Amino acid sequence: GAVVSQHPSWVICKSGTSVKIECRSLDFQATTMFWYRQFPKQSLMLMATSNEGSKATYEQGVEKDKFLINHASLTLSTLTVTSAHPEDSSFYICSADHLKLAQFGPGTRLTVL
Amino acid sequence: QQQVKQSPQSLIVQKGGISIINCAYENTAFDYFPWYQQFPGKGPALLIAIRPDVSEKKEGRFTISFNKSAKQFSLHIMDSQPGDSATYFCAASDETSGSRLTFGEGTQLTVNP
Repeated sequence: GAVVSQHPSWVICKSGTSVKIECRSLDFQATTMFWYRQFPKQSLMLMATSNEGSKATYEQGVEKDKFLINHASLTLSTLTVTSAHPEDSSFYICSADHLKLAQFGPGTRLTVL
Repeated sequence: QQQVKQSPQSLIVQKGGISIINCAYENTAFDYFPWYQQFPGKGPALLIAIRPDVSEKKEGRFTISFNKSAKQFSLHIMDSQPGDSATYFCAASDETSGSRLTFGEGTQLTVNP
C-alpha cells in the first residue's frame, strides 16, 4: 500500500518549452504533496509544498512563476516547468503525505536540450 | 543553511564489513529521523526510522543509533553486501512539518565483493 507514481519517468524537451510532470497517490488520498529537485550526486532539495485546493508554498529561491504547481485533487499534483532551460535539467521527485509519513515517487528525469 | 549534516560523503567497505554513516542536526524540534536508500535513477526508499524516545532501533542488518543530547544519529549496516551499494540519505522532520523532510547531503556507499 501507499504507492506514489510519477509520469513521465523521463522527458526530453527543447529549451523554451514547458513540461508537465504528474505525481499520483495510487491507493490513498494525500492532502499534502511535496516536490523535490535532485541534481547529480547531490541531495534532495525541497522546492515546494503542494496543498490540495490551495496555493503551493515555495521554498526560498524557487521561482513560483517558473515552477507551477497544481494540486487539484486528493490524488494528483502536477509540476509544470515553464520555459525550460538546460539548467532546469534535473531529477524531480515528489512525495505524498500518508499518515504523516512521506511516500516517495520514482522520480522524473528531465533533460532540456 | 544545512540543518542536517551527513558524513562521510563516500564510503567503501568490504563485503561482510560494517558500514557506518553519521548525521548531526541543529533543530531540537526535530522528532522523526528516517534513513533512505537510493539507487541511481530511482526515488528514495525508506530504510529505517527512529523517534527520539529510543536510543536504538534495529531492523535486520540495519541499526539506527540515536544520541539526543549530542543531536546525532547514525546508521549501521552489518554484514554489508554488494547489493547495499547505493546512496544513503538521513533526514529529519518535526511534528509541525509532518512529512516535510530536511535531508542530509548523502553518502555514496560502495561494498566491494
